[in-house]
Amino acid sequence: DADVTQTPRNRITKTGKRIMLECSQTKGHDRMYWYRQDPGLGLRLIYYSFDVKDINKGEISDGYSVSRQAQAKFSLSLESAIPNQTALYFCATSDPGTGGNQPQHFGDGTRLSIL
Amino acid sequence: AQSVTQLDSQVPVFEEAPVELRCNYSSSVSVYLFWYVQYPNQGLQLLLKYLSGSTLVKGINGFEAEFNKSQTSFHLRKPSVHISDTAEYFCAVSNQAGTALIFGKGTTLSVSS
Repeated sequence: DADVTQTPRNRITKTGKRIMLECSQTKGHDRMYWYRQDPGLGLRLIYYSFDVKDINKGEISDGYSVSRQAQAKFSLSLESAIPNQTALYFCATSDPGTGGNQPQHFGDGTRLSIL
Repeated sequence: AQSVTQLDSQVPVFEEAPVELRCNYSSSVSVYLFWYVQYPNQGLQLLLKYLSGSTLVKGINGFEAEFNKSQTSFHLRKPSVHISDTAEYFCAVSNQAGTALIFGKGTTLSVSS
């Protein structure tokens, strides 16, 4: 079984719909992250969480919200989806480490298409 | 603020040829550097990381990278590539606060026979 599991793997929906992407991990890591990947733009950070009570905005948080339901679960919501949120979304986890020296471990991604 | 520039968006090579994927970073503080690989329809997988010490870092699948502080570079190399190395490669640097990674835009390596 994958250490970082994202559901669904693919989703097609319509503009204005509320969407939730889920992420669960079995690595026991405290830190979890949500990124979006767009062709030619690399990965951009949406939100991150260092523990259940800690939520932080990333570079591109507008239009998104998150919930850290447990150490192992971190969900991303689009309250009212719009077409330019069509992208590949990744969840990642890491140990705290020191000053960012710990690598991140990624799920296989959710491909989201908004019509 | 930190930033990462991957100098080539696409690198086509023939099988068994050497390859170098270039990465420059900007930072006013000490950094940690990473290379990730993304195969089609998969997530990112760590290839190697530079934290401190020896500037030549060896990773998985025969890849290595050299940290050059004076040139603020962290180029990825492999002496002989395989078809199976075809993938997208991302260079990343830890941000100043150590709270997240900043990724480059990626380099697509295409290996043909």
